Amino acid sequence: QKEVEQDPGPLSVPEGAIVSLNCTYSNSAFQYFMWYRQYSRKGPELLMYTYSSGNKEDGRFTAQVDKSSKYISLFIRDSQPSDSATYLCASDYNQGGKLIFGQGTELSVKP
Amino acid sequence: EAGVAQSPRYKIIEKRQSVAFWCNPISGHATLYWYQQILGQGPKLLIQFQNNGVVDDSQLPKDRFSAERLKGVDSTLKIQPAKLEDSAVYLCASSERDTQYFGPGTRLTVL
Repeated sequence: QKEVEQDPGPLSVPEGAIVSLNCTYSNSAFQYFMWYRQYSRKGPELLMYTYSSGNKEDGRFTAQVDKSSKYISLFIRDSQPSDSATYLCASDYNQGGKLIFGQGTELSVKP
Repeated sequence: EAGVAQSPRYKIIEKRQSVAFWCNPISGHATLYWYQQILGQGPKLLIQFQNNGVVDDSQLPKDRFSAERLKGVDSTLKIQPAKLEDSAVYLCASSERDTQYFGPGTRLTVL
């Protein structure tokens, strides 16, 4: 079993839709959870960073962690064509340590 | 602030040849990481440096891969000899504390 699992998609939505991206993880020792966005032929860039359980909001993006069910979610409101990318969830035991990534979900937002 | 620089951006070699990748991290970042990202998968950590010392190289195939970080700044990752399954994007990242910043990657194709 992979430590972090993610539905690879692809996911296609119309512009303006609410997008829900999800991951599950198996290791209860994970404390830090991140969402990265990766455009084609670019390196991943950090979108959201959360510690332990709870919600964190940044503009149109909301990250949610439920440690009881080992479930990580990213919601994108009012999705835009510029949001079209691969979204990677990642987990870590410690700050600044080895990130364990999911395989990524490819998102396409159609105008 | 300049980002993480990597070169070359693309490399095509034949199996059993050797190849080297170079990374220049963000100025002042003590921690440097090399990840391997196979098509359709999330990045997998190969090696983590703290200044010029190795913190984690548990997933580095040491029979063919080597990495060094001289003077705690730039780093090189070498593969010798390359195999077909080494075809991937090699990402370098650096961090000061808890956020990892990724470079654009080197796309390696082994024929």
